[in-house]
Amino acid sequence: GAVVSQHPSRVICKSGTSVKIECRSLDFQATTMFWYRQFPKQSLMLMATSNEGSKATYEQGVEKDKFLINHASLTLSTLTVTSAHPEDSSFYICSARVTSGGYFGPGTRLTVT
Amino acid sequence: GENVEQHPSTLSVQEGDSAVIKCTYSDSASNYFPWYKQELGKGPQLIIDIRSNVGEKKDQRIAVTLNKTAKHFSLHITETQPEDSAVYFCAASDVGTYKYIFGTGTRLKVLA
Repeated sequence: GAVVSQHPSRVICKSGTSVKIECRSLDFQATTMFWYRQFPKQSLMLMATSNEGSKATYEQGVEKDKFLINHASLTLSTLTVTSAHPEDSSFYICSARVTSGGYFGPGTRLTVT
Repeated sequence: GENVEQHPSTLSVQEGDSAVIKCTYSDSASNYFPWYKQELGKGPQLIIDIRSNVGEKKDQRIAVTLNKTAKHFSLHITETQPEDSAVYFCAASDVGTYKYIFGTGTRLKVLA
């Protein structure tokens, strides 16, 4: 089956710094990837749609200047959390779209101190 | 936009019993409904899905039913086992985008 990886799995950063999270489709190409955020004991909330070679589409209420998305190749999308603050601490999960559905990565736990 | 409601939020069953989780959606354009199992600290794992041209789908102990008219779909797990304990999420999307809107999740506990 299709495999999606994320790196890093866990990251701790200081308030005010930026952190980059990578999402890779390992054995297939994905022109579209999605980024979700999940707070403890809550559901997955769609943040943005990442399209290879074009600008990402952000959901209402998500700051595009704070959550920078780059989908530079058919197997890699990156999410950069800029000027991170403690309230950005969350579980970030990507999903890669294929013709039959979406495959999720294992998630990245971000903790901002 | 699409809104997905999920009930119950928590469910405890005895090992061997059945568990049923229900979801309703609002957008009649949605035509793809996956169910995901999420264990603590991990990404969601697809366990079964159904498309709007089908009313029911079964895979061993897991089944999903869809009522398009009422806009609701349900997950049925039979002969539950302790390893079924996890959080289950339903989602809705259209086949063209696979842009999922998730339900609020159900924490299932199977008591041995």
